Amino acid sequence: KNQVEQSPQSLIILEGKNCTLQCNYTVSPFSNLRWYKQDTGRGPVSLTIMTFSENTKSNGRYTATLDADTKQSSLHITASQLSDSASYICVVSAEGNMLTFGGGTRLMVKP
Amino acid sequence: EAGVTQSPTHLIKTRGQQATLRCSPISGHTSVYWYQQALGLGLQFLLWYDEGEERNRGNFPPRFSGRQFPNYSSELNVNALELEDSALYLCASSLVWGLQETQYFGPGTRLLVL
Repeated sequence: KNQVEQSPQSLIILEGKNCTLQCNYTVSPFSNLRWYKQDTGRGPVSLTIMTFSENTKSNGRYTATLDADTKQSSLHITASQLSDSASYICVVSAEGNMLTFGGGTRLMVKP
Repeated sequence: EAGVTQSPTHLIKTRGQQATLRCSPISGHTSVYWYQQALGLGLQFLLWYDEGEERNRGNFPPRFSGRQFPNYSSELNVNALELEDSALYLCASSLVWGLQETQYFGPGTRLLVL
């Protein structure tokens, strides 16, 4: 069964600090892995998309890594801001455009 | 450029009724995806339409159905509503389907079944 597990479930950090969110998956056959940011009450917004041949991709202060061998990905947020408070969702796509969503990590950035 | 739009924003129904949710993709996008996000749970893939055809569906019963119109807008129908159908229903669209396509999400329709 295709699964995507994210950790931690929730995280509180102080403004300006860095943090790393984890994603482990068992989706097969793997096509690509995406990270989304979802503000409360809104639809998710795409941060990064990586195929199996890409092991890192950045979008501003967000850097995603992918290890296709160990089936792990991480999302690193640098110099966090209050606006980073949101849920971060890891999504893995299998061939055929079948998406499996992780449960998300709820991040709260405090002043 | 207008984003993905969904209507209604909120919908209240009673058990056994039918609900119809609508989605208009970004202009030029041919693929539309539907997701269910129940309270406390992650996003669950429901349906994917491309060029008017259903391409794939998630692990949901047949009372969840939909269609895509010639203008690429889409409708999600939920028949015989059950209490556990209460959730945020999100629609997303993409330009093409493939390795690098980005899905753009709408604001969602919040369905409450009483």
